Amino acid sequence: AQKVTQAQTEISVVEKEDVTLDCVYETRDTTYYLFWYKQPPSGELVFLIRRNSFDEQNEISGRYSWNFQKSTSSFNFTITASQVVDSAVYFCALSEPGANSKLTFGKGITLSVRP
Amino acid sequence: KAGVTQTPRYLIKTRGQQVTLSCSPISGHRSVSWYQQTPGQGLQFLFEYFSETQRNKGNFPGRFSGRQFSNSRSEMNVSTLELGDSALYLCASSPDRASYSPLHFGNGTRLTVT
Repeated sequence: AQKVTQAQTEISVVEKEDVTLDCVYETRDTTYYLFWYKQPPSGELVFLIRRNSFDEQNEISGRYSWNFQKSTSSFNFTITASQVVDSAVYFCALSEPGANSKLTFGKGITLSVRP
Repeated sequence: KAGVTQTPRYLIKTRGQQVTLSCSPISGHRSVSWYQQTPGQGLQFLFEYFSETQRNKGNFPGRFSGRQFSNSRSEMNVSTLELGDSALYLCASSPDRASYSPLHFGNGTRLTVT
């Protein structure tokens, strides 16, 4: 069965600090997809990134970067020079494509960035 | 392009009643997924519809049902409401199957059961 663990529940940082959000997943499949979503206080979840299991290349998008390591079953998300607008709940998610596939979310990490 | 639209935004119902929630996906998207979000359980998958067919269903009782119309709009129905059904219900659409496509979420319907 697929599972996503986000052990950190709440993180508080001061603006301009770097912060890493951890995500550990479990799956029996060799083919799977990993996602990160952001849920700001307004409530609407926003897609951030998708990674498939065959692509371990790290990705950087502006202040955001993602580190995918199959050896440790982790897909961590780092925000560099955090800003108040980064305050949100961040969800990591996993799916195993197939006839009965579904997307499984972690419990989410609440990030508060203080000015 | 218009985003995912969910109606109504808020609902207050009494235990035992039934409720229907509506979701209009982004134009051209064929998949609609439904999620229940609560503080205790987080985001839990309810079901996915793709091309009017239910493709997968989460671990919820039969009181939870849904359907998708030919224009991809979807409805979710909960019968015999229980207090524990109080939650934010989120709908998400994607061009292809939800398991490998980025999802576009609506703002949700906040259901309160009293």
